[in-house]
Amino acid sequence: DAGITQSPRHKVTETGTPVTLRCHQTENHRYMYWYRQDPGHGLRLIHYSYGVKDTDKGEVSDGYSVSRSKTEDFLLTLESATSSQTSVYFCAISELGGAYEQYFGPGTRLTVT
Amino acid sequence: QQQVKQSPQSLIVQKGGISIINCAYENTAFDYFPWYQQFPGKGPALLIAIRPDVSEKKEGRFTISFNKSAKQFSLHIMDSQPGDSATYFCAAGEGNEKLTFGTGTRLTIIP
Repeated sequence: DAGITQSPRHKVTETGTPVTLRCHQTENHRYMYWYRQDPGHGLRLIHYSYGVKDTDKGEVSDGYSVSRSKTEDFLLTLESATSSQTSVYFCAISELGGAYEQYFGPGTRLTVT
Repeated sequence: QQQVKQSPQSLIVQKGGISIINCAYENTAFDYFPWYQQFPGKGPALLIAIRPDVSEKKEGRFTISFNKSAKQFSLHIMDSQPGDSATYFCAAGEGNEKLTFGTGTRLTIIP
């Protein structure tokens, strides 16, 4: 497996609380991505990063923010969690970007009650 | 707007049979078409990928067929085995841009 870890792996939180998910890589890949996976929707891109401090929005970015202060870490923050953000969140990395292989982490299951 | 449409949503195939999953895309600038395999509780993993300069790519029992004029590509799994039971995602990418994923196909191989 590519060196990608996600933390926490499971989290239950209440509506309105802030939540931060962490993705850590040991591959020194330039690109990092956050996806959410929901039944019937497949994998949808939330935000991605193409370098330290360089980030951009994906198709479902509302309610989420990201930060990348180091090559190896990409943080996803839900400023005020809502029940619609209950999902499985996957981080992915890629050496060369979109049209090349992405390696996925093990996922974080987030439940917002 | 869904740029990559995947079908069927679920598929049941007998052991030893051929599993076929189809995807269609709209953006003619896409130049990379991967298939990902995901087992329950795991992240997706790249299975096989093709670029539009070829019409077919085969790796073991897995084959991608690509029809550029129809803007369609498909995954064929020959001699399907119970261990192939998983969710499969097609995707399409362009240059350094993002990958766009299909909605997934849950494949079940029955003995």
